[in-house]
Amino acid sequence: QVQLVQSGAEVKKPGASVKVSCKASGYTFTKYAMDWVRQAPGQSLEWMGRIHSDNDNTEYSQKFQGRVTITKDTSASTGYMELSGLRFEDTAVYFCVRTSPLEHWGQGTLVNVSS
Amino acid sequence: QSVLTQPPSVSAAPGQKVTISCSGSNSNIGIHYVSWYQQVPGTAPKLLIYDDNKRPSGIPDRFSGSKSGTSATLGITGLQTGDEADYYCGAWDSSLSAEVFGTGTKVTVL
Repeated sequence: QVQLVQSGAEVKKPGASVKVSCKASGYTFTKYAMDWVRQAPGQSLEWMGRIHSDNDNTEYSQKFQGRVTITKDTSASTGYMELSGLRFEDTAVYFCVRTSPLEHWGQGTLVNVSS
Repeated sequence: QSVLTQPPSVSAAPGQKVTISCSGSNSNIGIHYVSWYQQVPGTAPKLLIYDDNKRPSGIPDRFSGSKSGTSATLGITGLQTGDEADYYCGAWDSSLSAEVFGTGTKVTVL
């Protein structure tokens, strides 16, 4: 079965960077794009970006342009999302999702930005 | 802030039906497929409906989706206590070049 297993929770200081990993299994990694979606406490879902399946092309939400970098290691069937210049309001649970549609989600990684 | 608008909450008794609306615009719902997600707090969202009205394998036919113009609707029939959760709609937005989500609706089973 399709599984997306993410790295563990992180605590970061403002201005730092965080890199979250997402290990995929149960499907051919190179056949599906991977999206990253975040959810701040008590808030709705927020799309951050996508890395396409057949190449390394990426699309990013304008909101995160310049701060987010999405990459993948095909040999390890793993996707990565790095967010730099962390702010308090970046405290959220970050999800990787196989797309499309957005059917298979990772378990989520809590990133807590705190001084 | 969310681009798609949903009612904050809906409720009904067990066995009854609820509908959840999702209002968008010509740059998202009007020209792109809509998906619906169920999220129990503390867990990842679960895809219920995609391509406006298709159900992934394993999703019961108590869940249905429809769309008209720039609005979409999720219907849940035969309401069960296990349906208590937050529900979100989503669609691609051509103006933003981004996937956008609704404000979320909390379903309560009375």
